[in-house]
Amino acid sequence: DAGITQSPRHKVTETGTPVTLRCHQTENHRYMYWYRQDPGHGLRLIHYSYGVKDTDKGEVSDGYSVSRSKTEDFLLTLESATSSQTSVYFCAIRPSGQHYGYTFGSGTRLTVV
Amino acid sequence: DAKTTQPPSMDCAEGRAANLPCNHSTISGNEYVYWYRQIHSQGPQYIIHGLKNNETNEMASLIITEDRKSSTLILPHATLRDTAVYYCIVREVQKLVFGQGTRLTINP
Repeated sequence: DAGITQSPRHKVTETGTPVTLRCHQTENHRYMYWYRQDPGHGLRLIHYSYGVKDTDKGEVSDGYSVSRSKTEDFLLTLESATSSQTSVYFCAIRPSGQHYGYTFGSGTRLTVV
Repeated sequence: DAKTTQPPSMDCAEGRAANLPCNHSTISGNEYVYWYRQIHSQGPQYIIHGLKNNETNEMASLIITEDRKSSTLILPHATLRDTAVYYCIVREVQKLVFGQGTRLTINP
């Protein structure tokens, strides 16, 4: 979607290796989110950020860490990838003010073998 | 955040109005109702949101009952491109929590 990009779009990695996914926005929005989507589970929130260096956990944060050193980038790191982290990862952004819609990226398909 | 209940699937004929129901009987006074959809494997797309009053935009209309315990998303003239999973979400705080949604299939 315009204003938000995710990279890479696809990645295959081996169990035990570190992986970093990047979410980049050009909208200067305050809030950024990482979700994962798996069959039978829908979209589940991993971590979110409400400002530079301000992050919090979502419902499925175990095994993941995040960093936001500047407004435009929100990084999701799998310190030691496991097969259970094979999923499609979506980033989303939202401006300040509670009642705006989220804008989602196109997703990153990660396969851990 | 309040829990929502949606039918798992619905069908609608192309050109007809698609009416997607959502129950949110435990909604609190400050919680808004949001609708998103996800087409195939794309990222979810924001459609519309509302608090008490009915809302309309270029994509859809949102009808919220007076007691706010249920709502209906209306796609007035459904096209094949409206085939997607539709999510009804209610929230007050900063996080958006998705349920299973309704898989809407528009048939030619």
